[in-house]
Amino acid sequence: EVQLLESGGGLVQPGGSLRLSCAASGFTFSSYAMSWVRQAPGKGLEWVSAISDTGNSAYYADSVKGRFTISRDNSKNTLYLQMNSLRAEDTALYYCAKTTGSSWYGPFNYWGQGTLVTVSS
Amino acid sequence: EVVLTQSPGTLSLSPGERATLSCRASQSVSNNYLAWYQQIPGQAPRLLIYGASSRATGIPDRFSGSGSGTDFTLTISRLEPEDFAVYYCQQYGSSSITFGQGTRLEIK
Repeated sequence: EVQLLESGGGLVQPGGSLRLSCAASGFTFSSYAMSWVRQAPGKGLEWVSAISDTGNSAYYADSVKGRFTISRDNSKNTLYLQMNSLRAEDTALYYCAKTTGSSWYGPFNYWGQGTLVTVSS
Repeated sequence: EVVLTQSPGTLSLSPGERATLSCRASQSVSNNYLAWYQQIPGQAPRLLIYGASSRATGIPDRFSGSGSGTDFTLTISRLEPEDFAVYYCQQYGSSSITFGQGTRLEIK
C-alpha cells in the first residue's frame, strides 16, 4: 500500500524557515517524480514544486522560486521542501504527491494527508 | 502560465442526476495533459481522470472525462451520495503545473 507521510509543519514568523519532509513507502520511490502541492485555508490547490525521479531536475512555481528548495534522498525514501523567507501568503496545508511515472509533469495518483504551515507573528 | 477556469462555481443537484463540470484553458493544453481530482472536505485530493479521458485505477465508470485543446468536461452519469465534493481540473502539459479554482458539487 502506497503511503506518504508529511511532517515538519508548524508556526513560524515571517522571514523564517521550515523544512518539510515526506516519508514514502509501498512503492519504488526512486522510480517516480514527486511534487509538493499546497492549499491555503478554504482555498484551492496550488502546485509548488516538483523533482525528477533521480533528483537531478527541480521545478518551481513562480510564487516560491528563489525561496523554496525541493530535494530527495532515494536511500531514505524521503522527499524534502526547504522553505526560506516565509511570508504570510505561504500559510497552507502542504501535500506531498506522487506522480504516475518518472516524468516530473505527470498527474498525481497518491497524496499524503498534508502538514500545516502557518506563517504569522 | 496556463490559466484554468472552471464552471460553474457551485452545482446543486440531486442523487441520481447527471453532473457536467467544465474546465476551460487560456491556451491549448499540450498533449491533452488534463486531469480531474475529487476532494472531500478534510481529505486529500483523489485522482479521477488523467490524459483528459482515462480513468484512474479504481474509479467507477460513472465518471468520464472528455475534451481536447482548451475545453474539457468531467461528467458524472448518475450521482451517488459520496460524489458530493469539490472537483478540480489540473493541466500538466506546460512548464508550470496549474489547477482550476474548483467546482463545488452540492446536494440540492
